Amino acid sequence: AQSVTQLGSHVSVSEGALVLLRCNYSSSVPPYLFWYVQYPNQGLQLLLKYTTGATLVKGINGFEAEFKKSETSFHLTKPSAHMSDAAEYFCAVTKRADSGGYQKVTFGIGTKLQVIP
Amino acid sequence: EADIYQTPRYLVIGTGKKITLECSQTMGHDKMYWYQQDPGMELHLIHYSYGVNSTEKGDLSSESTVSRIRTEHFPLTLESARPSHTSQYLCASSQQTGFNTGELFFGEGSRLTVL
Repeated sequence: AQSVTQLGSHVSVSEGALVLLRCNYSSSVPPYLFWYVQYPNQGLQLLLKYTTGATLVKGINGFEAEFKKSETSFHLTKPSAHMSDAAEYFCAVTKRADSGGYQKVTFGIGTKLQVIP
Repeated sequence: EADIYQTPRYLVIGTGKKITLECSQTMGHDKMYWYQQDPGMELHLIHYSYGVNSTEKGDLSSESTVSRIRTEHFPLTLESARPSHTSQYLCASSQQTGFNTGELFFGEGSRLTVL
């Protein structure tokens, strides 16, 4: 079984401040981890992903996340928030499947980021 | 840039009407999915398909049905809409390769309101 917990359904930061969105997961096998962003009235867009290898992954728009197995965490950060970062962010977990097999993707409930000017 | 399209983007209809939400992708992906999204809740998978003539129900029970006659097309149909069907419906696709990471490509969504 796998699950995702996003701490804080709403986060507010000042423009220029550090963005930290928290994600903890549970998985019985090595996970694949994702962060997606959803702007108002749009679908989800991939920000970054971890599959194997380097545990610090960089994504689009200056975001990065670090896979910490010991803490079962995959927190999303950005050094300096911009007004355009205001959106909803979803953490997701899945696992490697056999070729052609079904991969269940479990999403968190999302965190809405507000950027205050 | 993802090439997956959903129509209509917004739909308001009365109870009992039949509706079809269209989803098309031009990436040649074999796998396609329908998710239901409600505020404050995780996305729930309601249908998926591995390819032509393949459809499966997802984790969340839904009264909707889907079909996959062409690789690029995965429409969702509600025979008789009810207010409880009011939600946002997201279509997605993914690649089927030997090392499938599970990355999903989403359409912009169809927001359905049933009065």
